[in-house]
Amino acid sequence: QVQLVQSGAEVKKPGSSVKVSCKASGGTFSSYALTWVRQAPGQGLEWVGGISPLFSAANYAQKFQGRVTITTDESTSTSYMELNSLRYDDTAVYYCARDVGGFEAFDVWGQGTMLSVSS
Amino acid sequence: DIQLTQSPSFLSASVGDRVTITCRAGQGIGSYFAWYQQKPGKTPKLLIYAASTLQRGVPSRFSGSGSGTEFTLTISSLQPEDFATYYCQQLNTYPPALAFGGGTTVEIK
Repeated sequence: QVQLVQSGAEVKKPGSSVKVSCKASGGTFSSYALTWVRQAPGQGLEWVGGISPLFSAANYAQKFQGRVTITTDESTSTSYMELNSLRYDDTAVYYCARDVGGFEAFDVWGQGTMLSVSS
Repeated sequence: DIQLTQSPSFLSASVGDRVTITCRAGQGIGSYFAWYQQKPGKTPKLLIYAASTLQRGVPSRFSGSGSGTEFTLTISSLQPEDFATYYCQQLNTYPPALAFGGGTTVEIK
């Protein structure tokens, strides 16, 4: 059974960048959609972006366009989400998730990575 | 970005109640529609995908229905372990984008 293991918590200053990793163990991302979602403290789920076999390239939520880059290294079964120009309101738990298989619905989730943006 | 309006945002119910949560999309979509359950401090759990397909291992008291712009999640008989927050999610294919509803918190009456 595939598991997604994310990198550890980060504390960053405003204006800096962060790169979060998500490694699949017991399986791969190949031919599956892989997405990144964040959740600010006490708030709902917010889509950041993802990579899907349905589309030719990574896609991002409009509010993150130009600030986020999602990549996947299939040789190591690892996905990365890099977020630049960090702001205080980027403070959130960031999750990666893999889809159930062709339906853009996500049944395997990483444990989450807490990003705190603070001066 | 696509908009998903989930209602109600809060629901108080008793064990054994039938519960229905609605999600309205701003535009017609295909079959890429899902429902999740999230408990405090936990990761989201997939309940339903393709609008009405029950994920493996999810109890049959959960069901999903709908098409076009309106979708519903029904819990036929609420159990103590069902008290949680529920989110809908859709994929828009052009331009490609996912969206989540604002969430419905189900609490014990």
